[in-house]
Amino acid sequence: GIQVEQSPPDLILQEGANSTLRCNFSDSVNNLQWFHQNPWGQLINLFYIPSGTKQNGRLSATTVATERYSLLYISSSQTTDSGVYFCAVYSGGGADGLTFGKGTHLIIQP
Amino acid sequence: NAGVMQNPRHLVRRRGQEARLRCSPMKGHSHVYWYRQLPEEGLKFMVYLQKENIIDESGMPKERFSAEFPKEGPSILRIQQVVRGDSAAYFCASSLYVSTEAFFGQGTRLTVV
Repeated sequence: GIQVEQSPPDLILQEGANSTLRCNFSDSVNNLQWFHQNPWGQLINLFYIPSGTKQNGRLSATTVATERYSLLYISSSQTTDSGVYFCAVYSGGGADGLTFGKGTHLIIQP
Repeated sequence: NAGVMQNPRHLVRRRGQEARLRCSPMKGHSHVYWYRQLPEEGLKFMVYLQKENIIDESGMPKERFSAEFPKEGPSILRIQQVVRGDSAAYFCASSLYVSTEAFFGQGTRLTVV
């Protein structure tokens, strides 16, 4: 099946810093989503981005499907940005659900 | 418009008991997926259902686990004779069409004691 690799696995930053999280995938995809899992375990949809670039406030994402990677940018980090960021993809017909990466664990220190 | 609703949020079962986890998809969504998250890991696909049909259960253990999505009512993930290794967070997701944007519930944290 498709492989999803996220980097870095861990990231510790000071409040106000910017960061870039990367997601590489091993095959063509029909869909790519970024999620934030907050410290309470809730999965928050950030972006649905099979290709192109999207922005939402301090967050933006870019997917280059032909080169099989996606990037999540976080600017002016806040402590509430802490948590785990997951990239997940559908490949094939999607009947086997999303394949998740192992996530990037982000800690924003005040 | 309510999101994906899962209950209970927390469930404690003794070894050998049955666990029933419920999921109501977003209004208008007929595609339901169940995932399991073990500690410090990402989510793993278990089963994909549409109303009254199991479409793909390739990620579900062959024994003790079953899922349904009846014509009326929520989707149910059922785990019989639970063991300690079943302790995990179980998430349900729904989407409008297959492989379109998925929305997740808050999960059920199952603890087997």
